Amino acid sequence: AQKVTQAQTEISVVEKEDVTLDCVYETRDTTYYLFWYKQPPSGELVFLIRRNSFDEQNEISGRYSWNFQKSTSSFNFTITASQVVDSAVYFCALFSLNRDDKIIFGKGTRLHILP
Amino acid sequence: EAGVVQSPRYKIIEKKQPVAFWCNPISGHNTLYWYRQNLGQGPELLIRYENEEAVDDSQLPKDRFSAERLKGVDSTLKIQPAELGDSAVYLCASSLGLAGTYEQYFGPGTRLTVT
Repeated sequence: AQKVTQAQTEISVVEKEDVTLDCVYETRDTTYYLFWYKQPPSGELVFLIRRNSFDEQNEISGRYSWNFQKSTSSFNFTITASQVVDSAVYFCALFSLNRDDKIIFGKGTRLHILP
Repeated sequence: EAGVVQSPRYKIIEKKQPVAFWCNPISGHNTLYWYRQNLGQGPELLIRYENEEAVDDSQLPKDRFSAERLKGVDSTLKIQPAELGDSAVYLCASSLGLAGTYEQYFGPGTRLTVT
């Protein structure tokens, strides 16, 4: 079975602090993709990153970084020096190439950045 | 470039009434998705189109839900009759191709409240 678990339902940090959002996934497939999306109050899901299962290199994009570890089936997302504009719900998602073309989303983590 | 357009943004209806949602995907995107997002949850796929063809509608409650994508561009999702449990945000997304390979672009969603 495929599953994405985001154990942190809600996180609050003070502006400028670093924060890590956890994502643990389950799949039996060897070829898969992992995603992070941001959903601000406006409602649209905004694509942040896609990672395929063969590329375990960590990625950094500005204040955002992602740590992919196949050994622990985790794909964690860190925001460095958080800002109020980072307040949103963040979703981790999984897509397996050998399954139906269906992305499985986690339940999301609501992040509050306090000024 | 215009993003995915959805209308209406909000809809309030009484149970047993019909309702329809409209989606205009990004120009050139052959793949179109309808998702339902319940409060505090991640999006769940209802139906996926490749051009005019519905290639995955396994999660669509066919007794009351229907969808169409005439001419392979705009799409309409209908519920008839609506039930209280249908209250959710209905998201439309589009992509150039397979979700794992190509980025999905989401619209702002239609928030449905059934009273």
